Amino acid sequence: DTEVTQTPKHLVMGMTNKKSLKCEQHMGHRAMYWYKQKAKKPPELMFVYSYEKLSINESVPSRFSPECPNSSLLNLHLHALQPEDSALYLCASSQRLADYNEQFFGPGTRLTVL
Amino acid sequence: SQQGEEDPQALSIQEGENATMNCSYKTSINNLQWYRQNSGRGLVHLILIRSNEREKHSGRLRVTLDTSKKSSSLLITASRAADTASYFCATTGANSKLTFGKGITLSVRP
Repeated sequence: DTEVTQTPKHLVMGMTNKKSLKCEQHMGHRAMYWYKQKAKKPPELMFVYSYEKLSINESVPSRFSPECPNSSLLNLHLHALQPEDSALYLCASSQRLADYNEQFFGPGTRLTVL
Repeated sequence: SQQGEEDPQALSIQEGENATMNCSYKTSINNLQWYRQNSGRGLVHLILIRSNEREKHSGRLRVTLDTSKKSSSLLITASRAADTASYFCATTGANSKLTFGKGITLSVRP
């Protein structure tokens, strides 16, 4: 299984809602990532987990809360988002947090904040 | 912050032609990778070249790296309509973070 899955594919939420994005991989990868991508822009790194521990937080606002319950799962909890947070949220994984590893990306969750 | 800068920003070619995309970066790197993204979907890893390598091939892809000029090029030979996508170069430095360039939009006309 060389796939990263993400649910849901699309999400529409109000600014007062609480929702979660989910990501799963069964490749035995020990590094997992969250990226945010706005239209016609490159992905921007948000968080990195290595061996289920938060390794990098790119100064992301606290309304985004990541969680790594086990080595296969990565969640992104959303609360009190703003319309400018509307974007494609991409999850990725790699064997290890090392500079020579390719990253495998999921198809993304298209988030719209009203 | 962006590290790579692709050139051109958009490229339109006829099916069967070769497509060449360039990427320049600013700081020292450990490796450089190229990814493809079909419209609104996830990214697919194409090829990785390490800083001590100069050229690499994978199927119809050829990537070169010139660390003295801080630049890389991706050549897609015998292009197909299915190659239509956005292409990103991405660099990894000492911090192990992957930093993407702005991307190139490739259109292959049937």
